[in-house]
Amino acid sequence: GQQVMQIPQYQHVQEGEDFTTYCNSSTTLSNIQWYKQRPGGHPVFLIQLVKSGEVKKQKRLTFQFGEAKKNSSLHITATQTTDVGTYFCAEAAGNKLTFGGGTRVLVKP
Amino acid sequence: DVKVTQSSRYLVKRTGEKVFLECVQDMDHENMFWYRQDPGLGLRLIYFSYDVKMKEKGDIPEGYSVSREKKERFSLILESASTNQTSMYLCASSLRVRYNEQFFGPGTRLTVL
Repeated sequence: GQQVMQIPQYQHVQEGEDFTTYCNSSTTLSNIQWYKQRPGGHPVFLIQLVKSGEVKKQKRLTFQFGEAKKNSSLHITATQTTDVGTYFCAEAAGNKLTFGGGTRVLVKP
Repeated sequence: DVKVTQSSRYLVKRTGEKVFLECVQDMDHENMFWYRQDPGLGLRLIYFSYDVKMKEKGDIPEGYSVSREKKERFSLILESASTNQTSMYLCASSLRVRYNEQFFGPGTRLTVL
């Protein structure tokens, strides 16, 4: 079935620095959703991208959907300790979501 | 706010026991889901339901069954728990519309000894 791959699996970031996590697929994605899971918490929806080349921003977070709709990225600027957690991308197909393996973000103060 | 609740945060069972995990949502969502989450493997779909008494297998249904007798409640059943079913189990719900976001419960960490 459809597989969504996320890289890197782990990301150690110095507080104040920027970083990017990527979501890739070998086939065209109909859409991408991004979720954040804080340590000990549950996934919480962040955003959805549907259109080719779409870019959406939420404060310090920038989400992008590739022109070919085979990849997506999440870029965080000026990382803060509140950004700690695991970020998942997922494709919605029908009523189901197929999740990537997640990028676990650790922030060094 | 959508609220999805799960019957237990932590559960310890013995091999061979029958285990029931309950999930309740309060927003009249048609879709409900059960996932398991293991380190490095992300969230894997076990079963989902798009209506009362309706169910469909997800990616890893073996060893599990589900029940949805009421719209707000979705139960996951481990008929005979095994140690390889030790995991975090997450329930989610969503409206039955295209591309809709899912709302997750707090999760149940199940340990099978």
